[in-house]
Amino acid sequence: DAKTTQPTSMDCAEGRAANLPCNHSTISGNEYVYWYRQIHSQGPQYIIHGLKNNETNEMASLIITEDRKSSTLILPHATLRDTAVYYCIVNAGNMLTFGGGTRLMVKP
Amino acid sequence: SAVISQKPSRDICQRGTSLTIQCQVDSQVTMMFWYRQQPGQSLTLIATANQGSEATYESGFVIDKFPISRPNLTFSTLTVSNMSPEDSSIYLCSVEDQDVEGYTFGSGTRLTVV
Repeated sequence: DAKTTQPTSMDCAEGRAANLPCNHSTISGNEYVYWYRQIHSQGPQYIIHGLKNNETNEMASLIITEDRKSSTLILPHATLRDTAVYYCIVNAGNMLTFGGGTRLMVKP
Repeated sequence: SAVISQKPSRDICQRGTSLTIQCQVDSQVTMMFWYRQQPGQSLTLIATANQGSEATYESGFVIDKFPISRPNLTFSTLTVSNMSPEDSSIYLCSVEDQDVEGYTFGSGTRLTVV
């Protein structure tokens, strides 16, 4: 699986949009981009995934660049409960390989 | 999505002993995965468990230390054998979940070895 690069940490004001970037320049054509988050002391939670089109669900939006070498997870209105570590993973249908993730701190 | 029950949720164990962690899923799944998360670190895959065959271990993990059982399509166990303080971690099981087109994780077992 291709490796990903994410900032170690980010802050976001409550109620504002949180934009979490991810670089995956070596992604293969059949690899999806997955986003998970891990709230303290819990197991990782699935957020969203996509192949090349932008995706949106009740939790977030995923924007994938046309060359697929990077993506951005958008939490449109961050709340304090969105404070977590966010993992960007590229995957071709086998097991997930986790990188370091981005620690998002939502502040009041 | 699939619901995973993992037991125990936490335990404190003496060095040299073994602990077996159970993972129960509410639906039949082909593959189950076991991860370790050391303090302050990301998740590392230990092994993949398929029903009816031996588990496949990742580099750095061996069957003698982390034996795995997969007796049916809804259940798996991971044993941490001959524990040392370095085994203190969170251990998580995961399954491929068709409902979310991704993977669902259990809540984890927080192990402390003293």
